[in-house]
Amino acid sequence: KAGVTQTPRYLIKTRGQQVTLSCSPISGHRSVSWYQQTPGQGLQFLFEYFSETQRNKGNFPGRFSGRQFSNSRSEMNVSTLELGDSALYLCASSLAVGGWDDIQYFGAGTRLSVL
Amino acid sequence: ILNVEQSPQSLHVQEGDSTNFTCSFPSSNFYALHWYRWETAKSPEALFVMTLNGDEKKKGRISATLNTKEGYSYLYIKGSQPEDSATYLCALGYFGNEKLTFGTGTRLTIIP
Repeated sequence: KAGVTQTPRYLIKTRGQQVTLSCSPISGHRSVSWYQQTPGQGLQFLFEYFSETQRNKGNFPGRFSGRQFSNSRSEMNVSTLELGDSALYLCASSLAVGGWDDIQYFGAGTRLSVL
Repeated sequence: ILNVEQSPQSLHVQEGDSTNFTCSFPSSNFYALHWYRWETAKSPEALFVMTLNGDEKKKGRISATLNTKEGYSYLYIKGSQPEDSATYLCALGYFGNEKLTFGTGTRLTIIP
């Protein structure tokens, strides 16, 4: 069974640009969550999508957005990039049958550097 | 803002020794606690999900306990091996808070 796939693995952008990251969940998983990790910080929750709908959202500015397609693949978009957006972005998928006791399966992440 | 604390922040342990570290969290409205192992250059991998007070989980040499009344969980590693070197994350789910809140992790290094 294929794991969670994130593309690209690495990205270099400049301030003001926008970027789109992609996440393909494990087959059969309907929930996809996105997280940001910066040095010294824990994983910060960005948002969660379930059945093409954003179900939960963290405390990030509106420059961060996402969507989910009918095949459960998800994309995350960051517009008007700032230096502080440099981070590792992880996505995780789960069956989401119940609540937050569902195991999260993580991808390897996309490392974004903003110059 | 939920405060999930992990201690120590980092730890060096001699190969063969046993070790443990802590995840502390607010106990009110607790739903579930997750432990993940995150090796360098790999994806975080789930170790345990715990939901009941007094719950204990075991997977090989690794085990975890949960005390929801006092708000802590211990992760134990018996007879540490080099492959145990990783960052160990705990994450909490709460009723009425629709996300997992992660701690900053304990970075474990096993010295051969």
